Amino acid sequence: DGGITQSPKYLFRKEGQNVTLSCEQNLNHDAMYWYRQDPGQGLRLIYYSQIVNDFQKGDIAEGYSVSREKKESFPLTVTSAQKNPTAFYLCASSIVGILDNEQFFGPGTRLTVL
Amino acid sequence: LAKTTQPISMDSYEGQEVNITCSHNNIATNDYITWYQQFPSQGPRFIIQGYKTKVTNEVASLFIPADRKSSTLSLPRVSLSDTAVYYCLVGVVYSGGGADGLTFGKGTHLIIQP
Repeated sequence: DGGITQSPKYLFRKEGQNVTLSCEQNLNHDAMYWYRQDPGQGLRLIYYSQIVNDFQKGDIAEGYSVSREKKESFPLTVTSAQKNPTAFYLCASSIVGILDNEQFFGPGTRLTVL
Repeated sequence: LAKTTQPISMDSYEGQEVNITCSHNNIATNDYITWYQQFPSQGPRFIIQGYKTKVTNEVASLFIPADRKSSTLSLPRVSLSDTAVYYCLVGVVYSGGGADGLTFGKGTHLIIQP
């Protein structure tokens, strides 16, 4: 059963701690994305990757870091430098190489920093 | 970067046809128009995508006029379960790097009443 998974669903951390959010896909997609969503707002792009070992900053990359060592995995680290990390984080993947791309989203991780 | 404008909210009733219009005055030649649906605390789900004229699938239709400066998502015979936020995206992901159209605005909150 193909899809994209994120874990955990809920995550609590103390202020000043780094935390890593997991994102895995078995759709054989080259591209993966991380978005942040705040209450009542749309999604904002944090980072995206179109190929293994390469990634680009999105609109709000400050305070976040990513890695793309495997095609299936695109973990996001929320660092202590992120001033307001409490949010709903969504990971997505898509095919690359065509102009029209449908993004497949995971169920999301809700991060709360206490 | 193409910017989109949608109504913040809309109300309708079960069994009605709902049309949500998105304005994108500075759409570029290579841009596609994509619509997503999002339920609370879930990732967005692809609904439909088009480039010009009309596209129809099993859940919706997308109408795009010749100048492509706007588009209308049409949901036939809505039900209570269609209550969600609907996002219009305009842009393209380039296989060689760079990405436009990965910006989800605030979307349109559609509320369906019995």
